[in-house]
Order: sequence, then C-alpha cells, then structure tokens
Amino acid sequence: AQTVTQSQPEMSVQEAETVTLSCTYDTSESDYYLFWYKQPPSRQMILVIRQEAYKQQNATENRFSVNFQKAAKSFSLKISDSQLGDAAMYFCAYRGILFQGAQKLVFGQGTRLTINP
Amino acid sequence: NAGVTQTPKFQVLKTGQSMTLQCAQDMNHEYMSWYRQDPGMGLRLIHYSVGAGITDQGEVPNGYNVSRSTTEDFPLRLLSAAPSQTSVYFCASSSVHRTTDQPQHFGDGTRLSIL
Repeated sequence: AQTVTQSQPEMSVQEAETVTLSCTYDTSESDYYLFWYKQPPSRQMILVIRQEAYKQQNATENRFSVNFQKAAKSFSLKISDSQLGDAAMYFCAYRGILFQGAQKLVFGQGTRLTINP
Repeated sequence: NAGVTQTPKFQVLKTGQSMTLQCAQDMNHEYMSWYRQDPGMGLRLIHYSVGAGITDQGEVPNGYNVSRSTTEDFPLRLLSAAPSQTSVYFCASSSVHRTTDQPQHFGDGTRLSIL
C-alpha cells in the first residue's frame, strides 16, 4: 500500500520570506500523481499544485513550486514571498494511475504553516 | 453551480445513535468518496463509488455504510455511533477520464462529535 509522510507537524515563516514543506512517499508504481492541498481555518480543501510523475519538470503555480525527486520519492513544496493568507494546514497527497475510475487519494499527516507578520 | 454540498455542517450524537451524513454534487461526476480527518493523521478514505450502484471500501470502512442509488448523491451512514468516530468528514467528487487526471472537488466538511 502507498504511504505519504509529512515529517514537519508545524512550520513558521516570516512574511515575505520563503518556506519549504517536506513530503516523502512510498509506492511501487511507476506512474502516479502528487498533490499539495491547502486547508485554511474555513476547512475548505484547496488544490495548490499538482505533479505528474512521468514529467521531470517541476510544477509551478505563481508563488508555489515543487521539488519532485522521483528516485528519492520526495515531493517538497516551496512557497515564495509568503503572505498572511498562506497560513493554513498543508497536505501532501498521492494518487496512483486511474484504475476502473477509482481516484483514491492517500494523504500525509499535514503541516500547519504559520506566517509571522 | 453549488459543487459538492454536505449536510449537516455540525452534529453531536450520543453513543449508539444512528445518523446519515448527506453528500450531493451537481456536476454529474461519476466518482464520489468519503474521507475522515483526524488530528495528526491527515484524511483517510472510508468508502468510494465509481458510479451509481457501485461502491467499495477504502482504508477505514468499519462502522460505516454507503450506497449510491443516483449519480448525484452519496450518503454515509453510521449505524451505531462510537466515540472513535468523532471526526471531520469530507465528501469529494470528480469526473473520470481514462487517460488524464481530473480534479477532485471537496465539500466543506461535517464536524461530528460522538459523546
């Protein structure tokens, strides 16, 4: 079974600085998707960024980028120019290739990010 | 477009009571699923469905039942609530494409407390 591990329960960063959240995963599959979700206090689950395993290029979405190391099974999220609105719980998630339509996500434990003004 | 709607948003039950958490989506999505979120454990899959009439178990199915009689609705039933089922429950849905990833849409969650 696939597992996702986030080893940093909490992180904090000064506003406008850069922070990196770590995620490692374990799988025997060669093709899969990786995601970072943001959960603010409102409890919404918001997709931040997505990486396809067969693409070597790291995904980027504005101030958010990932460092995807397939051999090391590592998928870290870098937030540049941190803003107060970035404060939230962040979840790393894995999904294997589609199998009969089942799009099951496996989540990490989450990292709570605090932004200090 | 309402997206994924979960009701209720909050509920308190006594041990042994039964309850149904409702989930409805208006996007004609084939895939629907239920997760529970507990502190320090992330979200864990309870049950999922790939279409009307088809359901299957996820990682933590014990104590929960589901059915999928329509494409739109995917209710989660607790037959005899236990304190260990105190959690925040999320419903999610997505369309299914054979070769490309489709984004999952999450509801706003239901906070359930079992006394």
